[in-house]
Amino acid sequence: DAGVTQSPTHLIKTRGQQVTLRCSPKSGHDTVSWYQQALGQGPQFIFQYYEEEERQRGNFPDRFSGHQFPNYSSELNVNALLLGDSALYLCASSPPGQGSHEQYFGPGTRLTVT
Amino acid sequence: AQSVTQLGSHVSVSEGALVLLRCNYSSSVPPYLFWYVQYPNQGLQLLLKYTSAATLVKGINGFEAEFKKSETSFHLTKPSAHMSDAAEYFCAVSGTGGFKTIFGAGTRLFVKA
Repeated sequence: DAGVTQSPTHLIKTRGQQVTLRCSPKSGHDTVSWYQQALGQGPQFIFQYYEEEERQRGNFPDRFSGHQFPNYSSELNVNALLLGDSALYLCASSPPGQGSHEQYFGPGTRLTVT
Repeated sequence: AQSVTQLGSHVSVSEGALVLLRCNYSSSVPPYLFWYVQYPNQGLQLLLKYTSAATLVKGINGFEAEFKKSETSFHLTKPSAHMSDAAEYFCAVSGTGGFKTIFGAGTRLFVKA
């Protein structure tokens, strides 16, 4: 059984560009959460998706948006990239009924904005 | 509002010595508490979690943590450190009604031979 997978592993973008990151949850999981982890810091909650809807959002601007598909996979989109958006982006999936109480993390996507 | 404070950004122990990583939390609702470990260039792996069933929680790799409500603490311990324990450790909290997890800033554990 594959765990949580994320793509791409690394990418480099220029300020002002847009980026899309992808996440496939663990089999049987229906909830996906996204986190931003800046260098030397703990992960910061961006938002959580359940039943294709954004269920809760952290303190991130509208430049950060997401989507969940019927197969529970998810995308994170970031528009108008800033240098400060450089970070490791982590996706976590949860089994039904667990919300954030049981999360399995993917390996992350390392985004560098130049 | 919920928050987590990890005391000490770096902790260094000798191999075979006790590991103690400190975490204090703030929560207005009964919390769920977690410890995660992160190895370089990897995602987070759950070590253990507290869900109000028992105050002493045992996790993987010989780690355990004790929930102390009076001290609002959830410190992580391991009796004997191994070189493979060298990693970043994160304490985290989520509430019974919420969906987001709040992480501490992390403690990097160094293990000396």
